[in-house]
Amino acid sequence: ELKVEQNPLFLSMQEGKNYTIYCNYSTTSDRLYWYRQDPGKSLESLFVLLSNGAVKQEGRLMASLDTKARLSTLHITAAVHDLSATYFCAGMTTDSWGKLQFGAGTQVVVTP
Amino acid sequence: ETGVTQTPRHLVMGMTNKKSLKCEQHLGHNAMYWYKQSAKKPLELMFVYSLEERVENNSVPSRFSPECPNSSHLFLHLHTLQPEDSALYLCASSQAGSTSYEQYFGPGTRLTVT
Repeated sequence: ELKVEQNPLFLSMQEGKNYTIYCNYSTTSDRLYWYRQDPGKSLESLFVLLSNGAVKQEGRLMASLDTKARLSTLHITAAVHDLSATYFCAGMTTDSWGKLQFGAGTQVVVTP
Repeated sequence: ETGVTQTPRHLVMGMTNKKSLKCEQHLGHNAMYWYKQSAKKPLELMFVYSLEERVENNSVPSRFSPECPNSSHLFLHLHTLQPEDSALYLCASSQAGSTSYEQYFGPGTRLTVT
């Protein structure tokens, strides 16, 4: 069974600085997803990573996937307050009927 | 309506009540999912329907009963719930067989069991 571990679980960021969230998974995962959740809201899809070496960027967020290390990272550049949210990574194997296995989430708080 | 919608958005029910949660997707997808999100616990997959057939049932208590009458609609029927069932229930949909299998989530139903 696929297990997904995120760290850190809580990240206090200073505006303007760079940070990274790590997502490790236990077995081969064919796809890796990053989601954002604001308090009391649903999950918003950020990135879908489908192959080794995949890198995707949107604004101040950049996600990458290393399937050999079973590691995905979400890098935040020059943090701003609007990025305060909980970030989830999730893995999926092709034989799992689209079943997502989520990490515990990283709660991000950005302060001046 | 666009995306994935869920009703009601908030629900308070007693332990002896029967209620249903509704989910509708307007994305033309063929797979739908129910997730449970409790405080301090990772998101848990409850049920998966692909092409209107239930393909996953993650050891969910029988007091939760899903129904998928067609590829656009998904229900979760609730009866004799327990206080620990209070949570945010999220519905999602995706296109099974697509390259990305990306799941799109609805806004959720905040359920409180008293």
